[in-house]
Amino acid sequence: AQRVTQPEKLLSVFKGAPVELKCNYSYSGSPELFWYVQYSRQRLQLLLRHISRESIKGFTADLNKGETSFHLKKPFAQEEDSAMYYCALAGNQFYFGTGTSLTVIP
Amino acid sequence: NAGVMQNPRHLVRRRGQEARLRCSPMKGHSHVYWYRQLPEEGLKFMVYLQKENIIDESGMPKERFSAEFPKEGPSILRIQQVVRGDSAAYFCASSPGFNQPQHFGDGTRLSIL
Repeated sequence: AQRVTQPEKLLSVFKGAPVELKCNYSYSGSPELFWYVQYSRQRLQLLLRHISRESIKGFTADLNKGETSFHLKKPFAQEEDSAMYYCALAGNQFYFGTGTSLTVIP
Repeated sequence: NAGVMQNPRHLVRRRGQEARLRCSPMKGHSHVYWYRQLPEEGLKFMVYLQKENIIDESGMPKERFSAEFPKEGPSILRIQQVVRGDSAAYFCASSPGFNQPQHFGDGTRLSIL
């Protein structure tokens, strides 16, 4: 079975604090993993993908095959980071997690 | 490039009517995906199409739902004899190839009276 799990529906952090949005997956092959973000009143957009290994808007995500995780991290949260975040896996189908709503408190 | 265009943005139907949702992919994209998002839930894959072909419809309900992506024109998600449980946001995405990053439309919010 292929599945993406985001255990936290809601996450609140203070501005300037570190933030980590969890994503765990189950997949029998070599997955390709993505993080998508949806800001208020905007469409869902790609934030980053694991194969590019780049940092976007200060966010990074490392694929940990041993723990089957792809957590999204940022050392210092900003108010503009408040949004809905979706982890996604591409295998023989595209699977999205249920999303985590991040609120950064000023 | 206008990106993925979905219309209408909002659609209201009475039970038993038909709903047609349209999606025009980004220029140069030949892969289209449809997702449904129920209130308080994440995106759920419905169907994956390329031009004139349904590649994967494993997420589509077996009855009343169909999708097409003709050679010319937008992709259409069609729901016949709608019921209250069909109320949801339906999102379309497109990509230049399989497993390439998907670009999303704004979605169609379907409400069933």
